[in-house]
Amino acid sequence: GQNIDQPTEMTATEGAIVQINCTYQTSGFNGLFWYQQHAGEAPTFLSYNVLDGLEEKGRFSSFLSRSKGYSYLLLKELQMKDSASYLCAVWNNNAGNMLTFGGGTRLMVKP
Amino acid sequence: DTGVSQDPRHKITKRGQNVTFRCDPISEHNRLYWYRQTLGQGPEFLTYFQNEAQLEKSRLLSDRFSAERPKGSFSTLEIQRTEQGDSAMYLCASSLVERLEQFFGPGTRLTVL
Repeated sequence: GQNIDQPTEMTATEGAIVQINCTYQTSGFNGLFWYQQHAGEAPTFLSYNVLDGLEEKGRFSSFLSRSKGYSYLLLKELQMKDSASYLCAVWNNNAGNMLTFGGGTRLMVKP
Repeated sequence: DTGVSQDPRHKITKRGQNVTFRCDPISEHNRLYWYRQTLGQGPEFLTYFQNEAQLEKSRLLSDRFSAERPKGSFSTLEIQRTEQGDSAMYLCASSLVERLEQFFGPGTRLTVL
């Protein structure tokens, strides 16, 4: 089976940096995704990591360590609009070519 | 707007009724996925199609759930004899075969009374 863990909630201050961690256990790993989901809206794609290392895209960066089964999403210069749920998802070739999502981390950005 | 669309956006039904939801993917996308999401949880994979072929359906929650994509374009998800536990957001997503990134629609929120 697969197991994906991420914190349920986090709070951070506008302008600060926050790191959202995700650990996973899976076979047939073929990449890790981060999605952002505002309340009542659809998830939107943020990043995809398949190789170890850091991928940077503007204020958002994502890191992957395959040997440790670990990823994080780093958000810099936080804005109020970053308040949302952040979903970690693992692509598994052995499980019918599907994405398995974690429960999401609800981030609240305070002024 | 050329994104994924879903219809209806909201559905309220009584227990025991059948419901059908529609998803129109991004036009050039050949893969289409259905997920269910309950409050405070991540999306849960249900099934997916590549063109008109349903390649994975073992994750459908029960035999009351079925999905079709008859012409390889839009898809429908049907739930028969709805139960209160079926109340959730049903999300559709699409992608190209050669790219793993999935684009999600706005979802259909189902409430079973």
